[in-house]
Amino acid sequence: DAGITQSPRHKVTETGTPVTLRCHQTENHRYMYWYRQDPGHGLRLIHYSYGVKDTDKGEVSDGYSVSRSKTEDFLLTLESATSSQTSVYFCAIREDREAFFGQGTRLTVV
Amino acid sequence: AQTVTQSQPEMSVQEAETVTLSCTYDTSENNYYLFWYKQPPSRQMILVIRQEAYKQQNATENRFSVNFQKAAKSFSLKISDSQLGDTAMYFCAFMKHVFAGGTSYGKLTFGQGTILTVHP
Repeated sequence: DAGITQSPRHKVTETGTPVTLRCHQTENHRYMYWYRQDPGHGLRLIHYSYGVKDTDKGEVSDGYSVSRSKTEDFLLTLESATSSQTSVYFCAIREDREAFFGQGTRLTVV
Repeated sequence: AQTVTQSQPEMSVQEAETVTLSCTYDTSENNYYLFWYKQPPSRQMILVIRQEAYKQQNATENRFSVNFQKAAKSFSLKISDSQLGDTAMYFCAFMKHVFAGGTSYGKLTFGQGTILTVHP
């Protein structure tokens, strides 16, 4: 599993509240990614990081922010959760030409 | 921008038979990688097979093989001797070539997925 841990695994939150998802890796990988999975869309890139404090937007970044203050942690924040952000969120790392994924976080916004 | 299309939302196959999942993609890149990922009900994303665009030979991994047609931008997955454990969602994915100092950063573009059910 390339030492990737996502937390929490499941969360239910109310519309308008802030939410932070955490991705933790133990193998000093430089590149980290956040994807969301929705029916009919596959996985879509939200944000990615190519080093500490180096991040950039993916294709569906609106409503999300990220931070990476140390190599091992990549945080995804929903500043004010909306129902459209109900989804399964995956963190991934890249090692050479291969990506490895965390177990996913199921987020429900009610 | 790259796009990946899986035109089969659902497929089914009998145990021990062969099934082929389709994937097409659009890119202006010449060097890239293509992947098939399996997602069982556990939700874990598992790499099934990888193809490098500069290699003409089709990749194989045990019962899994691909038919890579670069000119046609087609990348299908063949599963032989299907097993009940093959039941899962399958995603086709594209990654631009990664090289030192480049800006592709190894981002993946996924297709919509195909749900495969293997029947006993």
